[in-house]
Amino acid sequence: DAGVIQSPRHEVTEMGQEVTLRCKPISGHNSLFWYRQTMMRGLELLIYFNNNVPIDDSGMPEDRFSAKMPNASFSTLKIQPSEPRDSAVYFCASSIRGSGRSGDIQYFGAGTRLSVL
Amino acid sequence: AQSVSQHNHHVILSEAASLELGCNYSYGGTVNLFWYVQYPGQHLQLLLKYFSGDPLVKGIKGFEAEFIKSKFSFNLRKPSVQWSDTAEYFCAVKEFNKLSFGAGTTVTVRA
Repeated sequence: DAGVIQSPRHEVTEMGQEVTLRCKPISGHNSLFWYRQTMMRGLELLIYFNNNVPIDDSGMPEDRFSAKMPNASFSTLKIQPSEPRDSAVYFCASSIRGSGRSGDIQYFGAGTRLSVL
Repeated sequence: AQSVSQHNHHVILSEAASLELGCNYSYGGTVNLFWYVQYPGQHLQLLLKYFSGDPLVKGIKGFEAEFIKSKFSFNLRKPSVQWSDTAEYFCAVKEFNKLSFGAGTTVTVRA
């Protein structure tokens, strides 16, 4: 299995531009998570989906952030408009919910390093 | 939501030294516990996990962790570190399908 695939690996953009981050979970996994990692705040859960449905988006910082999961093999995290304080590494993770103990393990993608100038 | 505390922000040690990283979580109940490692420039990888049973858990690369329920702790240990163990280590607690991470401990191993 190729693991969780994120794209792009690096994104540099200017303040005010729209940014779209992409994630392909591990095939067969039905839970998907978006995290943000910064020096100041560490790893924060932004939102997670179960069976393509958003379950908890309480970590999404503000309305500029939105996430979708149109099907089981693809999710996007969009920031519009982007701001310099959004600069961070964004990780996507997936797991199998409801399959016993193995479902408690989240597998992480390589992350997208976002720089907003 | 769980709060996860990692005691050390940065640990520096020499090769062959022993390593112990502390982790405490905020309250009891049924939780699953994890240690993840992030090598420089890479994504998080699972080192080990505790779900139930023997509180001493062995993971990859010679790491182990001990769950002490009465202390809400899940400390990570390795008897003899190598230069390749230089990384950031994260303790995580899972509750209701959500992972809460500690702030991380950067471990630097000097050759």
